This record gives sequence, C-alpha cells and structure tokens, in this order.
Amino acid sequence: GENVEQHPSTLSVQEGDSAVIKCTYSDSASNYFPWYKQELGKRPQLIIDIRSNVGEKKDQRIAVTLNKTAKHFSLHITETQPEDSAVYFCAASIESGYSTLTFGKGTMLLVSP
Amino acid sequence: DTEVTQTPKHLVMGMTNKKSLKCEQHMGHRAMYWYKQKAKKPPELMFVYSYEKLSINESVPSRFSPECPNSSLLNLHLHALQPEDSALYLCASSLTQGNQPQHFGDGTRLSIL
Repeated sequence: GENVEQHPSTLSVQEGDSAVIKCTYSDSASNYFPWYKQELGKRPQLIIDIRSNVGEKKDQRIAVTLNKTAKHFSLHITETQPEDSAVYFCAASIESGYSTLTFGKGTMLLVSP
Repeated sequence: DTEVTQTPKHLVMGMTNKKSLKCEQHMGHRAMYWYKQKAKKPPELMFVYSYEKLSINESVPSRFSPECPNSSLLNLHLHALQPEDSALYLCASSLTQGNQPQHFGDGTRLSIL
C-alpha cells in the first residue's frame, strides 16, 4: 500500500519567515495530494490540494509544489503569522473509486511573534 | 452549508456502557468516513461508507459498529470499549469515495473509564 513520509516533525520559525514542509510518497499511482491544518483541539481543515496533472498551485500565502518523477510534494507558507501555528498533515491517494487518504505523520509548526 | 456536524462533543463512558456517536452532513456527499485520532498523530481510518454501503472496514474490533441510515447520517455504536479506545473520533465526508477533498467534523472526544 501507499506510504507517506513527512518532514520535519517540528518546525519553528519567526513571524514573517517562510516555512516549508516536505512529503514523499511511494505509490506512483497516487494522483491527489491534499494538505490539512489542525489547530489544537480543532478539526483537520483542508487548506490546499493538488492533482498530478499540475506542478504548482497557490492560494494567497500558501503554495504546494509537486514533483511526480521524484514522488515528493511540498507545502510552502510565506510571511508566516502566529495564527499559522498548528499541526500540518500531508496526504496522498490513488485514482480509484475505492481509494482512501494515506496521511503523513504531521509537522508541528510554531510561529513566534 | 459546508459543515459536518458531530454529536456529542465529549463522551465519558464506562467499559460496560453502550453509547453512539452521530455524524450529519447536508452537502450531498455520498462517501462518509470514521477516523480515530490519538494526540499528536494523524487520523487513522476506521470505516468508509460509499452510497450508504460499507466500503472499507480497516480491521476494526467488533466493539465498534458503524451504521449509515441514509445518505446524510452516519453513526458509530460503541459497546464494551477498552481504555485504549480513548481518543478523538472524527467523521468526514466527500463527494464520492476516492481522491476527493474530505471535510471533517469537530470530532467527539471519548474517554473510557
């Protein structure tokens, strides 16, 4: 089955800096890659996703890049703010009516004022 | 309406009790999911319903019994749980099963005494 590795497990940045979280996947049939943000005590929220026919997608301060050849994708957050502090999970799934999401282990992002 | 609603928010039960968790969505989604989440870990898939039929059971112990009465409702019946079952139980839904965005509810925080 699919395996998703996520790094780093913890990331501390100063407010205004950029943050990058990286994930690698094992199944070359995977073609959908969402990112979830989970604040303490709250639900995982979808913040951005990308499909394998696209190399990059942006939404304001957040961007995701995908390298299908190397089987890795990354989340980029620019101009970080304290409210970006949360746990971020990457995930992957294959093109199938029976597929499910395989999650990475998560990255705790701490943004200091 | 882009919400998945879960009740109750908190539940404390003894090992001999029977209780149920409820999940509701009105987005017209035809896939619904139960996840278990331990602190600082990613969501762990338990069950998937697709078009009101059980599609995936991830080898979950029989003390957890899912039910999908209609396309908007998903229940999880609990009986004779163990202390290690204490966790956050998340419900999610997506348009269809497969590589589609999943929308999570706020979860039920379950404590087994």
